[in-house]
Amino acid sequence: KNQVEQSPQSLIILEGKNCTLQCNYTVSPFSNLRWYKQDTGRGPVSLTIMTFSENTKSNGRYTATLDADTKQSSLHITASQLSDSASYICVAHFGNEKLTFGTGTRLTIIP
Amino acid sequence: DSGVTQTPKHLITATGQRVTLRCSPRSGDLSVYWYQQSLDQGLQFLIQYYNGEERAKGNILERFSAQQFPDLHSELNLSSLELGDSALYFCASSVKLSYNEQFFGPGTRLTVL
Repeated sequence: KNQVEQSPQSLIILEGKNCTLQCNYTVSPFSNLRWYKQDTGRGPVSLTIMTFSENTKSNGRYTATLDADTKQSSLHITASQLSDSASYICVAHFGNEKLTFGTGTRLTIIP
Repeated sequence: DSGVTQTPKHLITATGQRVTLRCSPRSGDLSVYWYQQSLDQGLQFLIQYYNGEERAKGNILERFSAQQFPDLHSELNLSSLELGDSALYFCASSVKLSYNEQFFGPGTRLTVL
């Protein structure tokens, strides 16, 4: 069964600190992996998209990594800001027109 | 602003009723996707249209249907509504197919009383 699992389910960190969110996927055949940021009550916004041949991709303070062998991805946030408080969703694209969504990590940044 | 528009923003209706949600994709995008997100739940893919044709189907109930019109806007019809249908409904669009980046609209919040 194609699945995407994210950890932790929720995370609280102090402003200015770094954090790393994890994503494990079991989809086949794998095409690409995406990270989205979703503010409460709003539509998700794409942060990164990586194909199986890409190991890392950055978008400002967000850096995603991908290990296609172990089927793991991580999203690292550097120097967190209050505006980073959101849900972060990992999404695996596989096969023909198929997307599997993780349930997300709820990140809260406190001053 | 993603360029994807959805109307209405909020919708309150009663059980058993029927509603229509509307989505206009970004200019030039041919694919439209519909998603359902219940309270504190992940996004559930419902259906995808590409250039007017149904392309992929997810966990869409038989009471739900959708279509994409020649001007590429799309409508999601929800009928015989139940309390459990209360959710945020998002539309997304992409240039061509789902391996392209998807841009999400602001969503329609549906409340069934």
